Amino acid sequence: QVQLVESGGGLVKPGGSLRLSCAASGFTFSDYYMSWIRQAPGKGLEWVSYISSSGSTIYYADSVKGRFTISRDNAKNSLYLQMNSLRAEDTAVYYCVLMPYSYGFFDYWGQGTLVTVSS
Amino acid sequence: NFMLTQPHSVSESPGKTVTISCTRSSGSIASNYVQWYQQRPGSSPTTVIYEDNQRPSGVPDRFSGSIDSSSNSASLTISGLKTEDEADYYCQSYDSSWVFGGGTKLTVL
Repeated sequence: QVQLVESGGGLVKPGGSLRLSCAASGFTFSDYYMSWIRQAPGKGLEWVSYISSSGSTIYYADSVKGRFTISRDNAKNSLYLQMNSLRAEDTAVYYCVLMPYSYGFFDYWGQGTLVTVSS
Repeated sequence: NFMLTQPHSVSESPGKTVTISCTRSSGSIASNYVQWYQQRPGSSPTTVIYEDNQRPSGVPDRFSGSIDSSSNSASLTISGLKTEDEADYYCQSYDSSWVFGGGTKLTVL
């Protein structure tokens, strides 16, 4: 069965950096498109970033463009999100999400990892 | 880009039917698929409807989705409400980026 396990969240000061990881199993990771989606405490869902199966196509939400970098290692079945210049408004649970096809919907979600940006 | 507007909350009794709307602010609702996600308290979201009206395996047929071009909106209908349906529901679509509605809290009382 599909499993997506995020890690790397934690408390970081404004302006700091954090790298999130997502370990995938139960499917052929290199065949699928992936996204990061976040949810601020008590708020709704916000798409953050998308990466194609090969890693050749990448998109970011305007709110994180220039600060966040998505990447993947298909040999390690892993997805990453490098987050720099963090702001208080980046505080959220970050979900790793599998997409069944390019520009598709969000099929399977991980359990999420909490990122808190606070001094 | 466009916005998707949902009612903040709805409530209904067990056994009844409830419909949650999702209105697209600009562009045609029919031009891109609409999905619906259920998020129970303390859990990750799961897909209950994809591609306007398709149900993933394991989702009961009490859940159905539709779109209405005349009102430029999508709807999620849940019939035979159960207490376990109490959750937040989010609609989502795509048009140059992925957009979510603000979410609707369903209370089954």
